[in-house]
Amino acid sequence: SQELEQSPQSLIVQEGKNLTINCTSSKTLYGLYWYKQKYGEGLIFLMMLQKGGEEKSHEKITAKLDEKKQQSSLHITASQPSHAGIYLCGADPTAQMNRDDKIIFGKGTRLHILP
Amino acid sequence: DTAVSQTPKYLVTQMGNDKSIKCEQNLGHDTMYWYKQDSKKFLKIMFSYNNKELIINETVPNRFSPKSPDKAHLNLHINSLELGDSAVYFCASSQGPFRAGGYQETQYFGPGTRLLVL
Repeated sequence: SQELEQSPQSLIVQEGKNLTINCTSSKTLYGLYWYKQKYGEGLIFLMMLQKGGEEKSHEKITAKLDEKKQQSSLHITASQPSHAGIYLCGADPTAQMNRDDKIIFGKGTRLHILP
Repeated sequence: DTAVSQTPKYLVTQMGNDKSIKCEQNLGHDTMYWYKQDSKKFLKIMFSYNNKELIINETVPNRFSPKSPDKAHLNLHINSLELGDSAVYFCASSQGPFRAGGYQETQYFGPGTRLLVL
């Protein structure tokens, strides 16, 4: 079965610095999702990547899916206190990416931002 | 070794039936959650219990009722199932609950239950 490994498990960075979180899969990634845990709202959807080499950005967060589609990275530029939290990657288990397929989750990366 | 388990993994049922999905965690966590995965793979939180006490109760139909017999279990009971209830439901647990502005505990997810209402 497919497994997602996130690294690092925990990350502490100074405010204003850049950082990267990785999500590595044991199998080909067909649909890769990034989420952030948010108080009172559960998991907030950040971005979805599907094609090898694809890159998407939202505000200061950029996510990439490598050409081989086995690793995704989440990059935050000029980090702010609001970026602190727990980030999870999730993946579709099959190439069909059926709407009812259960997402497979990584174990999460905890990000601390120091003032 | 399973940390968060859900049963059943797949559930096919007729409209109007009542069904339950069970969730158990062996991590010793105090907080458990139920999420619904929509067609875009967004996950919407439904309920959260901390030490058997309901702490998050989002706007979901009254037909959905969580039950926590002890802090290791959080079951989801659904009455009078409707077609629109078809979805994947995830259970999760964490050491402690959400706290506004406070330390967030990592949530560990179960494998999900795919519910299909015919």
